[in-house]
Amino acid sequence: DAGITQSPRHKVTETGTPVTLRCHQTENHRYMYWYRQDPGHGLRLIHYSYGVKDTDKGEVSDGYSVSRSKTEDFLLTLESATSSQTSVYFCAISARDLYNEQFFGPGTRLTVL
Amino acid sequence: GENVEQHPSTLSVQEGDSAVIKCTYSDSASNYFPWYKQELGKRPQLIIDIRSNVGEKKDQRIAVTLNKTAKHFSLHITETQPEDSAVYFCAAGGTASKLTFGTGTRLQVTL
Repeated sequence: DAGITQSPRHKVTETGTPVTLRCHQTENHRYMYWYRQDPGHGLRLIHYSYGVKDTDKGEVSDGYSVSRSKTEDFLLTLESATSSQTSVYFCAISARDLYNEQFFGPGTRLTVL
Repeated sequence: GENVEQHPSTLSVQEGDSAVIKCTYSDSASNYFPWYKQELGKRPQLIIDIRSNVGEKKDQRIAVTLNKTAKHFSLHITETQPEDSAVYFCAAGGTASKLTFGTGTRLQVTL
């Protein structure tokens, strides 16, 4: 597996609390992504980054923010968690823009009560 | 934006038979089509991909075909084995450094 880690791997939190998920890579890849995976929906892009401090929205970005201050770290923040954000969150990395081969981290299972 | 549809959502085959999963995409600018395999509780893993300048690609028991005119691509698994049981995702990507994924196919290989 590519050098990608996610933390925490599991988290249970309450509605209204802030949550930050971390993705860390050791591959020095330019592109990093956050997806959520829900039954029947596959993998949906939340936000992505194409360089340090360069980020853009994906198809399901409402309620989420991201930051990338270093090449190796990409943070996903839920400012005020809601039950609809209960999901499995995957980080992915890619070295390429064209032919965008992506490699996934191990995932974080988040439960919002 | 890109829209990817994947069928069937579930597929059950007997060991040794072939399995075919089909995807369609909407954006004619898409030029990269990877397939991912996800075992229960694991991360998606890239198993094969195809670029738009190629019509077919094979890797041992798996192959992918692409029909750009119809905006259609398929995954073929021959001589299926129990370890092929997993969820498979297709995806499509263009020049915007992003992928759009299908909703997945749960493949079950029975003995």
